[in-house]
Amino acid sequence: DQQVKQNSPSLSVQEGRISILNCDYTNSMFDYFLWYKKYPAEGPTFLISISSIKDKNEDGRFTVFLNKSAKHLSLHIVPSQPGDSAVYFCAERSYGGSQGNLIFGKGTKLSVKP
Amino acid sequence: NAGVTQTPKFQVLKTGQSMTLQCAQDMNHNSMYWYRQDPGMGLRLIYYSASEGTTDKGEVPNGYNVSRLNKREFSLRLESAAPSQTSVYFCATVGQVGAFFGQGTRLTVV
Repeated sequence: DQQVKQNSPSLSVQEGRISILNCDYTNSMFDYFLWYKKYPAEGPTFLISISSIKDKNEDGRFTVFLNKSAKHLSLHIVPSQPGDSAVYFCAERSYGGSQGNLIFGKGTKLSVKP
Repeated sequence: NAGVTQTPKFQVLKTGQSMTLQCAQDMNHNSMYWYRQDPGMGLRLIYYSASEGTTDKGEVPNGYNVSRLNKREFSLRLESAAPSQTSVYFCATVGQVGAFFGQGTRLTVV
């Protein structure tokens, strides 16, 4: 069974509107969740993270919300821009694990239409 | 540019051939990782090296070997390539919170 689930393989949003990408997890023993953005033919790049002791982290247009009781997190992008079109991965870093031993979801492809 | 450099960017192999994917980082990080990305599968960890001189298996190590040559370099070897190893391979190193990835190697095994 998947430890980190991104149930929506794709999402299409109009420019200027909000994009909400979702991620569910099963393992409560984590210290961070991280979001990565990936353009075609490039490596993933770190976008934003959230610590297990917080329920919200904001960086410019990007906000991540963590709901530990529901084992759910979401990434909000407001306002969405065409340059945000990419595949977004959420990744869990577990307590006691190697720092780079991240468990990735399968990704959500975001398309922002002008 | 500082970061993670992978070579080659593209490679086509015949079944049974061998090759080594090279990775180097100039971020002075201790740990390095090899992932593979397949359609609909996300990124899966093949092997990692927590520090120079150590290597450990990840989620999908079968068919691969690794060498941590020094602090900067971590190579991934396919001894006898199989079509199931057709994938995009990413090397990564880790900072305070998350991983920094190279640009990837697109490998096709025919």
